Amino acid sequence: EVQLVDSGGGLVQPGGSLRLSCAASGFIVSGTYMNWVRQAPGKGLEWVSVIYSAGSTSYADSVKGRFTISRDNSKNMLYLQINDLRVEDTAVYYCARGGADGGNFDVWGRGTLVTVSS
Amino acid sequence: QSVLTQPPSVSGAPGQRVTISCTGSSSNIGAGFDVHWYQHLPGTAPKLLIYLNSHRPSGVPDRFSGSKSGTSASLAITGLQAEDEADYYCQSYDTNLSNWVFGGGTKLTVL
Repeated sequence: EVQLVDSGGGLVQPGGSLRLSCAASGFIVSGTYMNWVRQAPGKGLEWVSVIYSAGSTSYADSVKGRFTISRDNSKNMLYLQINDLRVEDTAVYYCARGGADGGNFDVWGRGTLVTVSS
Repeated sequence: QSVLTQPPSVSGAPGQRVTISCTGSSSNIGAGFDVHWYQHLPGTAPKLLIYLNSHRPSGVPDRFSGSKSGTSASLAITGLQAEDEADYYCQSYDTNLSNWVFGGGTKLTVL
């Protein structure tokens, strides 16, 4: 079964760091483009970052320079290192697989909650 | 303010038909980028509902359909059922932002 299980969220003070993880099963993460998408409380979905099969990455302007997406091919895992956390980063973070048909996200994790508060 | 504009809410009685609009611009939908739709129930994983403007993934009922014209797209749901009550999001790509972008989401209430 194709599945994504995200984890690693928690309560962090402003300026702190977290590493989110996403365990994939049923497919190979390095074989497609993998993404992180977030949803702040009461808000809509916001694309955050992508890592392509070739290893190149891209970020939303709101997180550029603070977030780093990576993967471990041997563990079939996706990660998001979040540094210099801000209150506005509070959100549920979802990992999502890029669809083979291009431009969409066809498999999603259930999300992990990051709360930034003092 | 989302790059793609959706109505905050729509509603309909069981069995009725509802449509959800998604309005973009010349830098996204109008530039020819495809539109995709997702269904999201709080606390669960979002689900791909429509891809490439009008295609349904395996397992999605044919009550759901999508279309695209110019700088806009729409999702239609016929034969409304209580289980359709959820948030719906459109998504595309924007050349100005060089990002994938989502609409603000539409909450569907089945009366």
